[in-house]
Amino acid sequence: LAKTTQPISMDSYEGQEVNITCSHNNIATNDYITWYQQFPSQGPRFIIQGYKTKVTNEVASLFIPADRKSSTLSLPRVSLSDTAVYYCLVGGNTGGFKTIFGAGTRLFVKA
Amino acid sequence: EAGVAQSPRYKIIEKRQSVAFWCNPISGHATLYWYQQILGQGPKLLIQFQNNGVVDDSQLPKDRFSAERLKGVDSTLKIQPAKLEDSAVYLCASSLDLRGGMKFVYEQYFGPGTRLTVT
Repeated sequence: LAKTTQPISMDSYEGQEVNITCSHNNIATNDYITWYQQFPSQGPRFIIQGYKTKVTNEVASLFIPADRKSSTLSLPRVSLSDTAVYYCLVGGNTGGFKTIFGAGTRLFVKA
Repeated sequence: EAGVAQSPRYKIIEKRQSVAFWCNPISGHATLYWYQQILGQGPKLLIQFQNNGVVDDSQLPKDRFSAERLKGVDSTLKIQPAKLEDSAVYLCASSLDLRGGMKFVYEQYFGPGTRLTVT
């Protein structure tokens, strides 16, 4: 399973766009990239998943370059309620299905 | 749609005692996971079930932890005897059967967790 590396923490202000980059140099051909969000005292919540190029939903966008060795989660116009830990996961369902969460990125949104 | 249910929400026990956690996944979800999350860390997978069979329990401390999923629905996770380092939040999650499609293979739905304190 590909290891992921994310910044430990990030600060932002309300209304700004936040981009969190995750590196996954050893991503396999069949691997997908998935991001989760976790608030204090809650379980993680699925945000977005992608395989290549760009994926967008009502919450975020996920940008994946052609080599797929990194990905960027983009949160448009963050608010105080976006303060949370964001986890990047890489994996697929070949050779076994495994889920490995790293330490995540702690995003602090300030007023 | 009802979410993943867990109980109890909080538990305080003394070391060497035993404890059990219960999880009821989302209806129809074949895959069930138990995670341990220590404060300040990401969740660590303890065990994964596909229906009532174990897919992965490589990180489960089998000398003290056990888990079962009777009839492929509810699941219980037990710790006996507990150690101080078992203090953590225990999260249960569920997902649709992977064979049902490739699009969201990693969309797991998490419960609120059980916060365990071992004194």
